[in-house]
Amino acid sequence: SQKIEQNSEALNIQEGKTATLTCNYTNYSPAYLQWYRQDPGRGPVFLLLIRENEKEKRKERLKVTFDTTLKQSLFHITASQPADSATYLCALPPDSSYKLIFGSGTRLLVRP
Amino acid sequence: GAGVSQSPSNKVTEKGKDVELRCDPISGHTALYWYRQSLGQGLEFLIYFQGNSAPDKSGLPSDRFSAERTGGSVSTLTIQRTQQEDSAVYLCASSLLPASGSTTDTQYFGPGTRLTVL
Repeated sequence: SQKIEQNSEALNIQEGKTATLTCNYTNYSPAYLQWYRQDPGRGPVFLLLIRENEKEKRKERLKVTFDTTLKQSLFHITASQPADSATYLCALPPDSSYKLIFGSGTRLLVRP
Repeated sequence: GAGVSQSPSNKVTEKGKDVELRCDPISGHTALYWYRQSLGQGLEFLIYFQGNSAPDKSGLPSDRFSAERTGGSVSTLTIQRTQQEDSAVYLCASSLLPASGSTTDTQYFGPGTRLTVL
């Protein structure tokens, strides 16, 4: 069956450390993968997109990798700050259509 | 407008009643999406509009759910005879172009409508 999985346990780290979140998928061959941030009571906000032919994408303190062999994307936040505390969702198109399938998200808590 | 807006922000209703949820997309955005998010869960795709037509309604959970879009802008999601399992946050997103496997696009989300069915 098709699945997109993110660690359901919250990631609790110290300010200044690097946070690494994982997104694994099964039985999909996405052309790209997206990461979103969601704060409580708010809709998701787009952060980064990485295509299947890209190994790594960076934006300021954010870095995303995409391994189509492992069927995995890693999302890194370097020099993390308490303001980075939120739920991070990965999403991918399940086929050549317009839809996005979302993971259930991983909550990140950055302690001051 | 500046962003996607949704109304109401909160809706409490009794089981068996009908509800209407409204979404105002970003002006000029062609595509509009409805998702549902249950507590602690990811987003569940419901329906997608391109212009006023809905090419794919396969995500709608049952025939109690329907949606329409008028004038290529505002969309309404209607849930008839609400059930307790319909309780969730209903999120709307819009994008300039429909996302596809080969065309990347960004979806902009509204704040959602929290629906509680008693």
